[in-house]
Order: sequence, then C-alpha cells, then structure tokens
Amino acid sequence: KAGVTQTPRYLIKTRGQQVTLSCSPISGHRSVSWYQQTPGQGLQFLFEYFSETQRNKGNFPGRFSGRQFSNSRSEMNVSTLELGDSALYLCASSPGLAEYQETQYFGPGTRLLVL
Amino acid sequence: GESVGLHLPTLSVQEGDNSIINCAYSNSASDYFIWYKQESGKGPQFIIDIRSNMDKRQGQRVTVLLNKTVKHLSLQIAATQPGDSAVYFCAENIDSGGSNYKLTFGKGTLLTVNP
Repeated sequence: KAGVTQTPRYLIKTRGQQVTLSCSPISGHRSVSWYQQTPGQGLQFLFEYFSETQRNKGNFPGRFSGRQFSNSRSEMNVSTLELGDSALYLCASSPGLAEYQETQYFGPGTRLLVL
Repeated sequence: GESVGLHLPTLSVQEGDNSIINCAYSNSASDYFIWYKQESGKGPQFIIDIRSNMDKRQGQRVTVLLNKTVKHLSLQIAATQPGDSAVYFCAENIDSGGSNYKLTFGKGTLLTVNP
C-alpha cells in the first residue's frame, strides 16, 4: 500500500505570495492532518480534515487554510506569506474511524522557503 | 530526557548499547502516546504507540514504558544500530470524544549512534 505523498517536495516563494500544498493520504484513510515543523517551534498541529470537513484546528492565523476533496486528498493554502512561514509542512493520514486511538502516518513533507 | 515543549536534547551511544529516550508530558488527560523517528529530510516514521490503560508495550527492539503517576514516557531501543540515528519525538493525544486527531509533539531528542 502506498504511503502518504506530498507535492511539491520543495518550494521557494517570496513574501506576500500565496502557496498551495497537496497531500494524498494512504488509500482508505479518510482523516488528513497538517503540521508545521520549524527548528524553533517543533511540530505544531495546523488542522485536521475528515469527510471534506475541518474537524480540528490548531492555533494558526487565518492565512492558513485547507480543504479536503471527496477522494480524501487534501490541500493547504497559505496566503500573504511571511518569512516566518518558512518550514517543513507535513501531512499525516489515519483511517479516521474515531472508534479508538489511531496512529497517524506521515508523508515526507513539503519544504517551503519564503524569501 | 525531554518534555513536551522544551529544547532538543541529544543522546550519544555506542553501537550495540541500549538507548533510553525520555519524555515528560504535562496533560494528565492525555490517553494515547506515540513515538516517532525522524531522519534527516524525511517525515516522522511511526515506531510504537501505547494507550493509557497500559504501562508497557514491546515491539521489535523497542519498548515503551508509561508512568502515569509522574507523567513520564520512555522509549528503550535495544542493541542500538547506526541506522537508529535520528530525532525521536514523543507525541500525546487526548480523547476528546471521538474527534481526536490533534497530536501534541515534544521538541524531540537527537540520538547519535557511534560505530
């Protein structure tokens, strides 16, 4: 079974631009979560989508948004990029059954550099 | 050892030795814990998990111990190999009634295995 895939793997943008990152979960997984990883703050939860609905949200500004499609693929968007948005953006998927604690499986990440 | 939200400690061991990586968590309501391994340039890789109704769980060469009294988690790696060199994260989750895909990560511990 293929793992979580993320595209693109690397991205360079300038301040003020916007960016869209894509994530394809493991086949059959319906929950997709996004995390931001920086050296200073570590791994921080952005949001989680299930059945095309945002189910959980972290403490990030409204410039960070996401969506999920009917095939469970997800995108996240960052508008009006700031230098501090430079980070590794990780996507994780899980079955999303919510009947028990589930392991999240991570993709390789998209490394975003904002200049 | 490390605490969720604190600085990245390092652990250096000789090949063949056993490694113990520690993690302290602060939320007594956390009921699911996961250890992840992250190699340079890759996303976090699931190692082992444990639920709060257990105090020990074993995998291949790895053992996780949970002490709820002092809110402490540890990962033991037997016969550490150079391929085990990576950053190790503990993550905790709180069962919020079914919508529980919001992992809180520690800053990680850098494990270096010397040949």
